[in-house]
Amino acid sequence: GIQVEQSPPDLILQEGANSTLRCNFSDSVNNLQWFHQNPWGQLINLFYIPSGTKQNGRLSATTVATERYSSLYISSSQTTDSGVYFCAAISGYALNFGKGTSLLVTP
Amino acid sequence: ETGVTQSPTHLIKTRGQQVTLRCSSQSGHNTVSWYQQALGQGPQFIFQYYREEENGRGNFPPRFSGLQFPNYSSELNVNALELDDSALYLCASSVGTGSYEQYFGPGTRLTVT
Repeated sequence: GIQVEQSPPDLILQEGANSTLRCNFSDSVNNLQWFHQNPWGQLINLFYIPSGTKQNGRLSATTVATERYSSLYISSSQTTDSGVYFCAAISGYALNFGKGTSLLVTP
Repeated sequence: ETGVTQSPTHLIKTRGQQVTLRCSSQSGHNTVSWYQQALGQGPQFIFQYYREEENGRGNFPPRFSGLQFPNYSSELNVNALELDDSALYLCASSVGTGSYEQYFGPGTRLTVT
């Protein structure tokens, strides 16, 4: 299956700061998704972005399939943005997840 | 539109026992995938069900089995529970198999003692 690497593993921000999370994958993909996992374990869909750039409020994501990476940009971070962010790429039937970036936004 | 639901929320079992977890797919979705998430790790693919048949399987032993019903809901069964089976079990549904976007339920947290 596809190997997915996420960086950084941990990130601490002060409220209002911007950040970029990175996801590298080992092979070409047909599907790439970004998720936010809340403290209760629920995976919230952020983006479905096999290629190109999408924006949703303070969040935006870019996937460059030819260079095998995707990035998630969070602007003007809020304490509610805290949690673990996962990217995942489809290989066959399965979503292959990275190990996540744990984000803590402090007041 | 109803999202993906899972039951139970939490479960405690003893080593060697058997457990059944349930998942109802989002309306309009016919494909269900199951994932296991150990503490501090990303979810790992267990298997996928499409048209009531297992469509693909990850690196899990045969004591992990499943079913899909005509209404597209699904069960995950685990026999002969081991301590390492303690994890969050996540179910995801999609409109089809392959590269479609997957939507996750809230998960079932299983503790094996």
